[in-house]
Amino acid sequence: GQQVQQSPASLVLQEGENAELQCNFSSTATRLQWFYQRPGGSLVSLLSNPSGTKHTGRLTSTTVTKERRGSLHISSSQITDSGTYLCAMGPNSAGNKLTFGIGTRVLVRP
Amino acid sequence: DPKIIQKPKYLVAVTGSEKILICEQYLGHNAMYWYRQSAKKPLEFMFSYSYQKLMDNQTASSRFQPQSSKKNHLDLQITALKPDDSATYFCASSLGTFNYAEQFFGPGTRLTVL
Repeated sequence: GQQVQQSPASLVLQEGENAELQCNFSSTATRLQWFYQRPGGSLVSLLSNPSGTKHTGRLTSTTVTKERRGSLHISSSQITDSGTYLCAMGPNSAGNKLTFGIGTRVLVRP
Repeated sequence: DPKIIQKPKYLVAVTGSEKILICEQYLGHNAMYWYRQSAKKPLEFMFSYSYQKLMDNQTASSRFQPQSSKKNHLDLQITALKPDDSATYFCASSLGTFNYAEQFFGPGTRLTVL
């Protein structure tokens, strides 16, 4: 079945440092969608990217669907960036079912 | 104002009982979904609906039944509850079920079955 692998599993940053989160997937995807999951559990959509590079604020998503990989770059990390970042792949079949990775847990320290 | 409402936020049930999880979206979307997140597991797709019709069902058990009374509502009825059903259930929506449609998630309902 389709699988999404995220790395690293966890990451500790000093405030102001940059970070790169990786996402690899086992089947052809039409896009990657990145989410931030708050410590309380709610999900926030960050970026949805079929291919190439997309930016929002301090976040940059890069997707290379042919190579079945993507990344999320966080620049100038802030304490409020702490939480879990989830990568989800969109299918190449109808229905728009998302397949999620287990996430990368990020802790930003002052 | 929250655009996707899920009720209740927390739910405790006894084994064998039946519960309904409520989801309403005010984004004007035509597609709605249910996902489940169990402890230490990835979010798992359950159902997708488009214009109130079932598009995809990845849940083996018939104990889980989505119900759509309006285009912006997709409730989830769970019968004969088991402790393994304990999880956080997320509702999501998107403009349509085409593959590039970005999905937006509700805050979740955390279900505990004793």
